[in-house]
Amino acid sequence: RKEVEQDPGPFNVPEGATVAFNCTYSNSASQSFFWYRQDCRKEPKLLMSVYSSGNEDGRFTAQLNRASQYISLLIRDSKLSDSATYLCVDNQGGKLIFGQGTELSVKP
Amino acid sequence: EAQVTQNPRYLITVTGKKLTVTCSQNMNHEYMSWYRQDPGLGLRQIYYSMNVEVTDKGDVPEGYKVSRKEKRNFPLILESPSPNQTSLYFCASSSGAVGNQPQHFGDGTRLSIL
Repeated sequence: RKEVEQDPGPFNVPEGATVAFNCTYSNSASQSFFWYRQDCRKEPKLLMSVYSSGNEDGRFTAQLNRASQYISLLIRDSKLSDSATYLCVDNQGGKLIFGQGTELSVKP
Repeated sequence: EAQVTQNPRYLITVTGKKLTVTCSQNMNHEYMSWYRQDPGLGLRQIYYSMNVEVTDKGDVPEGYKVSRKEKRNFPLILESPSPNQTSLYFCASSSGAVGNQPQHFGDGTRLSIL
């Protein structure tokens, strides 16, 4: 089993849709988590950190469920510009494990 | 401007010819890291460094070396490159010593080993 697993997609959704991604992790000692977005093999860019209490940034909401060992990302009111690959990251005390990414395609 | 700079951006070379990819950051970050990205495998960490003279293996360190003699620089060395090291490489840095802060990535280096 991979340490960090994501559904690779692609998720094809219409503009305005709500879409959710999950990411499961296997190391119960993992300390912190992030969501990054990556456009077409360019450098990944931070989307948001994931806090135990959950956090929201505009149309984006991240949740952490330590009991079930998964993190989630919810995107509301999808825009064309949200089309990208979304990477979850698990920080294991300095060693960073990336998921393989979930591809999102938002269509007009 | 705060940035992570990698050089070269593109390189085509031959098996066995030693090469170095440089990485420099101007943000006084403690943590630096190298990744490779391959289709279907995502980003995999090669080596990371929590501070000067401190380096640790990531998931795929075989065939690579790094050094951290100065805080701002973290070069990636391929002593004897092989075709399976053809990949897209990213360097990143973050504040804090354990990578708990967001990573700032360089633009990437596309390496082809023939």
